[in-house]
Amino acid sequence: AQKVTQAQTEISVVEKEDVTLDCVYETRDTTYYLFWYKQPPSGELVFLIRRNSFDEQNEISGRYSWNFQKSTSSFNFTITASQVVDSAVYFCACRWGGFKTIFGAGTRLFVKA
Amino acid sequence: NAGVTQTPKFQVLKTGQSMTLQCAQDMNHEYMSWYRQDPGMGLRLIHYSVGAGITDQGEVPNGYNVSRSTTEDFPLRLLSAAPSQTSVYFCASSSTSGYSSYNEQFFGPGTRLTVL
Repeated sequence: AQKVTQAQTEISVVEKEDVTLDCVYETRDTTYYLFWYKQPPSGELVFLIRRNSFDEQNEISGRYSWNFQKSTSSFNFTITASQVVDSAVYFCACRWGGFKTIFGAGTRLFVKA
Repeated sequence: NAGVTQTPKFQVLKTGQSMTLQCAQDMNHEYMSWYRQDPGMGLRLIHYSVGAGITDQGEVPNGYNVSRSTTEDFPLRLLSAAPSQTSVYFCASSSTSGYSSYNEQFFGPGTRLTVL
């Protein structure tokens, strides 16, 4: 079965702490696409990053970084020096060719000042 | 560009009523989809469309109908509302240009539906 698991339901950190959000996917396909989206308290969904199954290169964008490891079927997201504005629900998603996209249940991140 | 728009923002229905949630996009995206978001369950795909006249079922299609007569619009119809359909509904679109499965989705602001 194709599945995306975000085992952390809620995480609470203090500002300036680093935090890693886990994402594990299950698939038998060799071609797939991984995404992270952010949903701030205002409710909209915002795209953060995408990665295809052939590109295991990690990515850093400012305080955000993503670690894609095919060996463990994981696509984890790290926020360095977290800020209050990072408080949101973060969703990991996977698309297995075509356009059907499966989302994880989301991780709610609280960053306290 | 308005992006993806959804109406209404809020709706309260009684069990058994029908209604249509509207979704429109002005980005000329071929792919459009409807999700519902429930606490602890993430976003679940209801129906999707890869172009005008083409629709298909997602993970949770029961109780919902869609049609796609134009590229811009993708309405979601609730045939006979049930309390289990209380949820936040998101419409999304993405481009089919280039490596289409790799394109991110753009989401509307959502419709919060309560069925009593």
